[in-house]
Amino acid sequence: AQSVAQPEDQVNVAEGNPLTVKCTYSVSGNPYLFWYVQYPNRGLQFLLKYITGDNLVKGSYGFEAEFNKSQTSFHLKKPSALVSDSALYFCAVRDGGGFKTIFGAGTRLFVKA
Amino acid sequence: EADIYQTPRYLVIGTGKKITLECSQTMGHDKMYWYQQDPGMELHLIHYSYGVNSTEKGDLSSESTVSRIRTEHFPLTLESARPSHTSQYLCASSEGLEQYFGPGTRLTVT
Repeated sequence: AQSVAQPEDQVNVAEGNPLTVKCTYSVSGNPYLFWYVQYPNRGLQFLLKYITGDNLVKGSYGFEAEFNKSQTSFHLKKPSALVSDSALYFCAVRDGGGFKTIFGAGTRLFVKA
Repeated sequence: EADIYQTPRYLVIGTGKKITLECSQTMGHDKMYWYQQDPGMELHLIHYSYGVNSTEKGDLSSESTVSRIRTEHFPLTLESARPSHTSQYLCASSEGLEQYFGPGTRLTVT
């Protein structure tokens, strides 16, 4: 069975500082990994995905994520946080041979000015 | 922004009423999904569809039903709403691996 864990309910960071939002996963086959962001009263927006290839994936709004197979992790990063990055971030995983995407519980990011 | 729409955005109804939440997408995607999400919490898949005339139940037990008569339309119906149905309902569609989400319907059953 596939699963995804986001160990932090909340991450606080000062504007201009780098940010990391953590995600670990478990799948039986090759993982397809995703990050989505949700702003208040909105649906989720796709940020980036990892399918294969380069372990560092770049996405929207300056975000990137690093795939680490040995640690089964897919942490979301940004070199310099903005106040407007404050939102709820979801990591998701799909078993490469499967259909369903499993979402994590979400991590709330607060960026202080 | 993806072209996927949900109506109504907010709905407050009394117990026992029948309701239908609408979801439409203009991208021609075959796959569509309904998720239930309590505010700020994880998503739970309640229904999905591979295409026209194809519907499946998701991981979360739900008293709702869905239909997929047209590619672009994937409505969700609650025959008799209860307070336990109070939640946010998100519709999504996909062609490739990533999903595109609508803005959601926030349902309150009194």
